[in-house]
Amino acid sequence: QSALTQPPSASGSPGQSVTISCTGTSSDVGAYNYVSWYQQHPGKAPKLMIYEVSKRPSGVPDRFSGSKSGNTASLTVSGLQAEDEADYHCSSYAGSNIMIFGGGTKLTVL
Amino acid sequence: EVQLVESGGGLVKPGGSLRLSCAASGFTFSNAWMTWVRQAPGKGLEWVGRFKSKTDGGTIEYAAPVKDRFIISRDDSKNTLYLQMNSLKSEDTAVYYCTMGFCTSTSCHWDDALDVWGQGTMVTVSS
Repeated sequence: QSALTQPPSASGSPGQSVTISCTGTSSDVGAYNYVSWYQQHPGKAPKLMIYEVSKRPSGVPDRFSGSKSGNTASLTVSGLQAEDEADYHCSSYAGSNIMIFGGGTKLTVL
Repeated sequence: EVQLVESGGGLVKPGGSLRLSCAASGFTFSNAWMTWVRQAPGKGLEWVGRFKSKTDGGTIEYAAPVKDRFIISRDDSKNTLYLQMNSLKSEDTAVYYCTMGFCTSTSCHWDDALDVWGQGTMVTVSS
């Protein structure tokens, strides 16, 4: 299983919206509605932000939303805030009880 | 409070071995499917492997790069997960996280969404 493809970087100004893509294949992202997104600040453990493509765990602001089309999933952060600056990682169930991750995207709030 | 605490990381020479531990608290460990994820310096996350709860079959899955070199085990009496790493290579250098999914009122997400993470332990493979 190859890693999912994410852009290395993304950026936006405070208050703007930014969308991060996560591209897989018909064997992972395209096959299952089990895409998750994680936020990771420097030196910290990842935090689950989105699961099952678009669901938010309790406590995650509704500024964070997820979607999927075909083999590509997306995370949109609306109303960007300074504290949103972090690395974002996507993951997908890939069948056979295996999970795969993307390479991560560094989000910069300008 | 649900908590996972890893230990056992350190510097090891190529070809050497190391065993990581993950102490769990605040939940019924024996019911949880536990997962190891690693992150090489400056890189993305990489799924290492997962141990199902014994009540759900106790099967273990490994990522291809570590299969036949790493062994995941658990001691439910001690609420502890282990990762035995053998034949270590420089590319195994990473922060290793112990993590697990979660259950809602309608479904469990053990293999697709990791909700609880330890702080990680650093493993450096270098001569």
